Amino acid sequence: SQKIEQNSEALNIQEGKTATLTCNYTNYSPAYLQWYRQDPGRGPVFLLLIRENEKEKRKERLKVTFDTTLKQSLFHITASQPADSATYLCALARNTGGFKTIFGAGTRLFVKA
Amino acid sequence: NAGVTQTPKFRILKIGQSMTLQCTQDMNHNYMYWYRQDPGMGLKLIYYSVGAGITDKGEVPNGYNVSRSTTEDFPLRLELAAPSQTSVYFCASSHPPEWGQGTLTEAFFGQGTRLTVV
Repeated sequence: SQKIEQNSEALNIQEGKTATLTCNYTNYSPAYLQWYRQDPGRGPVFLLLIRENEKEKRKERLKVTFDTTLKQSLFHITASQPADSATYLCALARNTGGFKTIFGAGTRLFVKA
Repeated sequence: NAGVTQTPKFRILKIGQSMTLQCTQDMNHNYMYWYRQDPGMGLKLIYYSVGAGITDKGEVPNGYNVSRSTTEDFPLRLELAAPSQTSVYFCASSHPPEWGQGTLTEAFFGQGTRLTVV
């Protein structure tokens, strides 16, 4: 069955460092991959999208890589700030007879001042 | 901009009761979705719709029903509530993927409905 794995353990880093979150998937061939941020008690908010034919995407302090051979995406936050503390969800989608996105469980990030 | 609006925000149901979770969006999105999120788990797709009058099952549709009579509204119905349906429910909407044409395909989520079945 399709499976997305994100590190279930929380990631604790110091302010100013780079946070790197991992998303691995199996039994799936996504057309693209998305990263969302979710704060407690709120719905997910879209951050970045990367297509299967793209290796890397950047947006301000965020960078996403997508390796379809390894079936892995890395999500980097550079110069992290306490305000970056949240849960980050990885989501995969493909346009096959509908449009279904499957989500990982997310990784909780804590950035200490 | 209202975006995606869900009501109610919280609800406690007794086993066997029924209720409808409301979802409306003002972005003229064709695609709408219902997810549930259990603690420590990813979002699970319950039902989705690619346009008014068209709905389809997701990963976990049992115990739920949906309808899509308008582009804006996508209500989720629980007919016989069970403790296993205790969860946080999120409604989302998006444009169609239109793969290869550069159209953004991000999903916009509502604030969620926290449902407890006792």
